[in-house]
Amino acid sequence: GAVVSQHPSRVICKSGTSVKIECRSLDFQATTMFWYRQFPKKSLMLMATSNEGSKATYEQGVEKDKFLINHASLTLSTLTVTSAHPEDSSFYICSATPARYNEQFFGPGTRLTVL
Amino acid sequence: DAKTTQPPSMDCAEGRAANLPCNHSTISGNEYVYWYRQIHSQGPQYIIHGLKNNETNEMASLIITEDRKSSTLILPHATLRDTAVYYCIGHSNTGKLIFGQGTTLQVKP
Repeated sequence: GAVVSQHPSRVICKSGTSVKIECRSLDFQATTMFWYRQFPKKSLMLMATSNEGSKATYEQGVEKDKFLINHASLTLSTLTVTSAHPEDSSFYICSATPARYNEQFFGPGTRLTVL
Repeated sequence: DAKTTQPPSMDCAEGRAANLPCNHSTISGNEYVYWYRQIHSQGPQYIIHGLKNNETNEMASLIITEDRKSSTLILPHATLRDTAVYYCIGHSNTGKLIFGQGTTLQVKP
């Protein structure tokens, strides 16, 4: 099956710093990737849709200058949390859709803790 | 995308079939019903999807009512590793998946 990886799996950073999370589709090309965040005991919340070679589309209420998304190739999308604060601590998950398929394949997630 | 309603939690005995219901009364004609599950602290895992016919794969079966207003995911022989949150999602070809609260399935020995 299609495999999506994320790096790092866990990251702890100080308040005010920026953190980059990578999402890779390992055995397929993905023109579209999605970024979600999940708070404890809550459901996944879609943050943005990332299209290769174009600007990401953010969901309402998600600050695009805070959460920078880059989708430079068909197998890599990155999410940068800029000037992180403790309230940004969350589980960040990406997904990718291969061409000709409708289902999304999810990465294992990245646990971000901002001190 | 259609709003879905699922019971917040269910229990199932190990080895028995787990039947997880989902209501999607506002689903439109071109929207598929997708099921994903999320084991604790992992990314969601695709299970199955269907439009109007019943579907079966190596993981589960999906039964969709004729009016398409509800569906049931069936895990034929639940194991302890099937303990997870199960999400039913009405999904059009916009690409976006909007997750509801899902059903927490607890498989008990």
